[in-house]
Amino acid sequence: GAVVSQHPSWVICKSGTSVKIECRSLDFQATTMFWYRQFPKQSLMLMATSNEGSKATYEQGVEKDKFLINHASLTLSTLTVTSAHPEDSSFYICSARDRVYEQYFGPGTRLTVT
Amino acid sequence: GENVEQHPSTLSVQEGDSAVIKCTYSDSASNYFPWYKQELGKRPQLIIDIRSNVGEKKDQRIAVTLNKTAKHFSLHITETQPEDSAVYFCAALNNFNKFYFGSGTKLNVKP
Repeated sequence: GAVVSQHPSWVICKSGTSVKIECRSLDFQATTMFWYRQFPKQSLMLMATSNEGSKATYEQGVEKDKFLINHASLTLSTLTVTSAHPEDSSFYICSARDRVYEQYFGPGTRLTVT
Repeated sequence: GENVEQHPSTLSVQEGDSAVIKCTYSDSASNYFPWYKQELGKRPQLIIDIRSNVGEKKDQRIAVTLNKTAKHFSLHITETQPEDSAVYFCAALNNFNKFYFGSGTKLNVKP
């Protein structure tokens, strides 16, 4: 099946710094990638939809200036958490779609802001 | 937007018994309904899916049913095994090509 990678798998950063997370589709081209956030024991919350070559669309309540998304190519999307704070600590998961319906998830990135 | 509700939040069954998880959705235009299994600290894995033009789909011990009129769909796991223990999420794909997830069901299969 399709493979999606994410890097880094975990990161610890200090409050006020920025962190970049990469999402790559390894064996297919993804015109659309999604970014989710998951708190412990909770569901996946869609943050934004990333389309190659265009601006990301953000879900209501997600600060676009804080969570910068760039979909530079058909195989790479990045999420940058700017001026991170402890409340941004979470599990961030990306997914990519190669066809109309199915999506494939990356392994996730655990962000801890101290 | 779409609203997906999932029940129960926790489910405990004896090994060999069946487990049923139910979801409802609000957007009648949603047309694809996948189910995911997520083990602790890992990514969600697609286990079965169903499209709106089908009422039921089965894959070995796992089946999904869809009632478009009532806007609900269910996951059925028969002959449960301890390795089925995990958190299961339902999801719905709306007409804006976005996935919305249910709140999850923690399934515990007791040996």
